[in-house]
Amino acid sequence: AQKITQTQPGMFVQEKEAVTLDCTYDTSDPSYGLFWYKQPSSGEMIFLIYQGSYDQQNATEGRYSLNFQKARKSANLVISASQLGDSAMYFCAMRALSGNTGKLIFGQGTTLQVKP
Amino acid sequence: GAVVSQHPSRVICKSGTSVKIECRSLDFQATTMFWYRQFPKQSLMLMATSNEGSKATYEQGVEKDKFLINHASLTLSTLTVTSAHPEDSSFYICSASKRGAKNIQYFGAGTRLSVL
Repeated sequence: AQKITQTQPGMFVQEKEAVTLDCTYDTSDPSYGLFWYKQPSSGEMIFLIYQGSYDQQNATEGRYSLNFQKARKSANLVISASQLGDSAMYFCAMRALSGNTGKLIFGQGTTLQVKP
Repeated sequence: GAVVSQHPSRVICKSGTSVKIECRSLDFQATTMFWYRQFPKQSLMLMATSNEGSKATYEQGVEKDKFLINHASLTLSTLTVTSAHPEDSSFYICSASKRGAKNIQYFGAGTRLSVL
């Protein structure tokens, strides 16, 4: 069975500093994809970044980077130079790429608050 | 990116009435769409997978006759909450899967349903 675990219910970060949001996963599938989404208070889910299990390099998208450690089964999101607009709930998700049903498994989420 | 439109954003209805929620992929074709339910400060719970031209696949515990899903075209899926009751009050959000190596799911803005 697949599982995503986000152990930080809430995090605070000072504006302009970097913050790491933790995500660990468990799967028996050899091929999978890992995703991070941002959900502001308005409710929409915004796709941030994707990491494939066979990707050689850690994914980066602007101020977002994914610290992928396959052996540890972790896929932490790093946000650099935090902005007030980064305050939101963040979800880590995983999808098996083999036998693809397309379903995403989500973690419990981490609420990030950026302090001015 | 890709744009998914969800309508309405908020609906208030009387107990016993039915409510239809639309999910449209605006700039890509989506053979697969997903419907989620989310309770406050919790993660997303997948309700069903909607496949164009075929019956939806419901997750365990989700009533098929209660939550009717129709995916009549490559850009539109609808969720109808039939005979709504107060316990159906929730945030419903859809996503559409964009074909490609990553098969990223792009989300609508969600619908907040309140049943009186």
